[in-house]
This record gives sequence, structure tokens and C-alpha cells, in this order.
Amino acid sequence: ETGVTQSPTHLIKTRGQQVTLRCSSQSGHNTVSWYQQALGQGPQFIFQYYREEENGRGNFPPRFSGLQFPNYSSELNVNALELDDSALYLCASSQAPSTDTQYFGPGTRLTVL
Amino acid sequence: RKEVEQDPGPFNVPEGATVAFNCTYSNSASQSFFWYRQDCRKEPKLLMSVYSSGNEDGRFTAQLNRASQYISLLIRDSKLSDSATYLCVVNTQNQGGKLIFGQGTELSVKP
Repeated sequence: ETGVTQSPTHLIKTRGQQVTLRCSSQSGHNTVSWYQQALGQGPQFIFQYYREEENGRGNFPPRFSGLQFPNYSSELNVNALELDDSALYLCASSQAPSTDTQYFGPGTRLTVL
Repeated sequence: RKEVEQDPGPFNVPEGATVAFNCTYSNSASQSFFWYRQDCRKEPKLLMSVYSSGNEDGRFTAQLNRASQYISLLIRDSKLSDSATYLCVVNTQNQGGKLIFGQGTELSVKP
């Protein structure tokens, strides 16, 4: 196990609602990256947080936002949910922003109806 | 064009077969390369990093050709437990910790 935990494991929401996903990084890791994996696709980078600030963002709209806390845990918030937001959301922690090795949590499976 | 492209798959092979996965990447500034393995409905796990000189880990051999922007993974003597989706992953240093994944190639090893 990587030591990266995510909650909840599964979630069902309806269009227009808002959702918050949580991630606890591995001990000693100060960087968290979030990815979205749609069915049949590889994970896509959403954004990365380092020392409580956003440190890079992928091609996702502003309704995807995040936070990182002093203990390096992180949240992903998605507003105004759309059907296409249904996916596995993965967080990955690493020792530093530029570190190649990222350890993934088990993911949160979000279904938007 | 996708930044990282893989064979679409799926690959269905018998136990003991040798199987090769191919991957190309578009950004010549890419600096780090990996193969991840993802079991059904689980998180991706690092299988191996890929170095310019090529590297081997037991039955697995990874190769990188920077000139052709091509990465490969060879699995020899495939086992039932090798059944999974294999993801080709690239990291470009000036993009920090952003890992860029291919769409994955599914492998099914049959008895």
C-alpha cells in the first residue's frame, strides 16, 4: 500500500450539484496531484498543490478547484456537476513538485446522474 | 494529436507468450518515462521507469528511443497475473509534476 488515502470511495451525485473529494498524502510528502480518469482512458492531470498553493493546472475549467492544508492533505471541489464529470478521481502524493515518483491513492469513483 | 499514444489493444495472449506494447510521445522535451500497471477498478501502480539505455526487471524489459520518441515494454513468459491495463507515462520537467498518461493497453492472459 502507498499510504495515500482517499474518501469517499464511491459517490453518486446529480447534475448541478457540488462535490468535495479528500486525499491524505503519504507521510513525508508535501505535494499532491489530482487526476481524472474517465472510463477506458488514462488519467488526466487536473492540478497539483505544493505547500498549500496551486502549482500547475491541466486543461480543466475553473469549476474544478482545490485546497491543500498545513498537514499536506488536500481537497478537490467540483461545482455545477456535469454528466461528463463521472470518472475515477485519483490523487497522488510525492516528496516534491518535480519528483517523478508519485504514489496514487485508491481513488474516488464519482457518478453523476 | 494526443501527447502520449499507445496501441489500442486489447491484447489477448496465452500463458507463456511474449507480448510487446508500444508507445509514442509528442513532446521532445519530455525527460522521464514510465510504465504503470492498473488492475481493474484500482489505482495505477508504477511498474518500472524507462531509461535511455534500456532496463530490465525480471520478465519485463523497457526501451526508450528518444530520436523516434518511442517507448516499449516487453513482457516475456506472460502469467495470468499479468492481466491488467498497461499505461505509458511521460513527465516533462518544465511542467513540474504533471504526469501525462497514454490511454492504456489492456492485456488479458489466458490459460
